[in-house]
Amino acid sequence: GQQLNQSPQSMFIQEGEDVSMNCTSSSIFNTWLWYKQDPGEGPVLLIALYKAGELTSNGRLTAQFGITRKDSFLNISASIPSDVGIYFCAGRRGGTSYGKLTFGQGTILTVHP
Amino acid sequence: DADVTQTPRNRITKTGKRIMLECSQTKGHDRMYWYRQDPGLGLRLIYYSFDVKDINKGEISDGYSVSRQAQAKFSLSLESAIPNQTALYFCATSAERGGETQYFGPGTRLLVL
Repeated sequence: GQQLNQSPQSMFIQEGEDVSMNCTSSSIFNTWLWYKQDPGEGPVLLIALYKAGELTSNGRLTAQFGITRKDSFLNISASIPSDVGIYFCAGRRGGTSYGKLTFGQGTILTVHP
Repeated sequence: DADVTQTPRNRITKTGKRIMLECSQTKGHDRMYWYRQDPGLGLRLIYYSFDVKDINKGEISDGYSVSRQAQAKFSLSLESAIPNQTALYFCATSAERGGETQYFGPGTRLLVL
């Protein structure tokens, strides 16, 4: 069953505000990924994290791989209307799980102009 | 042209009917996946294939079957569709190296009446 808990489930914010969301698990993951899904499209990779404690940025997005390897965080600074969509975290364990991802439930982001 | 294509994009069918969803990719990737997306549940893995002769069950394979006809094609079948298979279905691909980066198709929206 679902092993990643993502929160919040939805967010309604004003343009210009910062956004934070996180993903937690009872299991250790070797890789954490953050995807964004625009309406009517498939998810697209935003950021990949490979090492515990790693902090990586992609423009206004910053993500962190938690020290315990059981969580990850995504921050969006100075939100704009095109940030609207569903954000998914995903984790990959090693060994026989290589290549398989487990996804969180998603955070629905709405940005009001 | 899109690297990962899915047909059809939308489908309405009746309970008990057999239907097939098709996925094609031009990325040259060995690995292909089928997911379903339901509101509040994120993406759940149905089946995956790491090469033409390889088929593996995901977390929710009951009621589904797949066929990997060629490296570029991976089809998903519902032998006897039921209403709780109404969902958004995504195909994804990844390379053997860097396999955590999955590239998604645009999705097929399926309604089972």
